[in-house]
Amino acid sequence: KAGVTQTPRYLIKTRGQQVTLSCSPISGHRSVSWYQQTPGQGLQFLFEYFSETQRNKGNFPGRFSGRQFSNSRSEMNVSTLELGDSALYLCASSSAGLAGNEQFFGPGTRLTVL
Amino acid sequence: AQSVTQLGSHVSVSEGALVLLRCNYSSSVPPYLFWYVQYPNQGLQLLLKYTSAATLVKGINGFEAEFKKSETSFHLTKPSAHMSDAAEYFCAVRLFGNEKLTFGTGTRLTIIP
Repeated sequence: KAGVTQTPRYLIKTRGQQVTLSCSPISGHRSVSWYQQTPGQGLQFLFEYFSETQRNKGNFPGRFSGRQFSNSRSEMNVSTLELGDSALYLCASSSAGLAGNEQFFGPGTRLTVL
Repeated sequence: AQSVTQLGSHVSVSEGALVLLRCNYSSSVPPYLFWYVQYPNQGLQLLLKYTSAATLVKGINGFEAEFKKSETSFHLTKPSAHMSDAAEYFCAVRLFGNEKLTFGTGTRLTIIP
């Protein structure tokens, strides 16, 4: 089974621009979660989508948004980029609905904002 | 709300020595607990998980962890460190019915030859 894939792997943007990151979950997984990883704040939960609906949201400003398509693929968008948005963005998928099911992580997209 | 504390942001051990990475959690309800490992420029890989079955959990690469409710701990151990164990390790907690993982700040493990 193919793992979680994220595209692109690396991205460089300038302040004020917007960016869209993509995540393809493991086949059959309907839950996709997004995390931001920075040296200062560590790993922080952004949001989770299940069957095209956002089920859970972390404490991030409205500039961060996401969506999920009918094939479970997910995108996250960051508008009006700030320097502090430079981070590794990780996507994770799971089968959900099962007690203790694990999340499988993709390799991440490293975003650099100049 | 749940939280995780990892004691020691950096741990160094000699090759062949015991590895002990500490994790304490706080949760109002019985949690699920996880240990993940991250190698440079990669995502997170699950080492092991506790889901309210056996309190001693065995994972991949020779790692294991013991859930101690009285101490609210879930420390990660490996009897004999290998050079390939050098990485960053994250403890995480999740509640039943919620996919959100709350992570600790991580422990960077260095193996001394």
